[in-house]
Amino acid sequence: QSALTQPASVSGSPGQSITISCTGTTSDVGGYNYVSWYQQHPGKAPKLMIYEVSNRPSGISNRFSGSKSGNTASLTISGLQAEDEADYYCSSYTSSSTLVVFGGGTKLTVL
Amino acid sequence: QEQLQESGPGLVKPSETLSLTCAVSGSSISSAYYWAWIRQPPGKGLEWIASFRHSVSTYYNPSLKSRVTVSVDTSENHFSLKLSSVTAADTALYYCARPIVPSTRVAFHIWGQGTMVTVSS
Repeated sequence: QSALTQPASVSGSPGQSITISCTGTTSDVGGYNYVSWYQQHPGKAPKLMIYEVSNRPSGISNRFSGSKSGNTASLTISGLQAEDEADYYCSSYTSSSTLVVFGGGTKLTVL
Repeated sequence: QEQLQESGPGLVKPSETLSLTCAVSGSSISSAYYWAWIRQPPGKGLEWIASFRHSVSTYYNPSLKSRVTVSVDTSENHFSLKLSSVTAADTALYYCARPIVPSTRVAFHIWGQGTMVTVSS
């Protein structure tokens, strides 16, 4: 069982917006602004999309945005495109004996 | 351009030790970054294994800590992972990775392509 909880799957039509949630505790998501989001296409390494809750690395589309409220972080993808179909993982720094924890992943299907 | 490249045997026998190396190019292993090992079992999610900053500190996943050793070779600019007493549950795609900025140890921006390790007799 993953330390952070994500929905197993979400879907949306091209052009729509979707949001993926990532729920943790006050020891990780809720306690620190070190939430990251990764996109992973089949057979590829994960790609950092968001870090420190809402920052985008250079080259990442502004269609991707991150936020946090309490112990739940969210990734929103607006203007869905076919190429957004992938697995998405959240992660967070944690003050527990582990440095970083991941969510179980969410499969995004673009209908 | 910075790159990471994992290497190691693709097949390891149960109870033996898995050994992998991550070659770093375009950056120094002695820099202020925390370098990491992360794995992904087939069809499953990501699992953090360990992170370290050379000569400063090392963090381990508690579930693996008793079996994991991370080492650095600054002359070759690479770092290594050893996982002892492996079982089928250690079968996974193993990645090395580096955070986006030194100040964050946990936002992994640079990734190797991954190396698949199967534990089987």
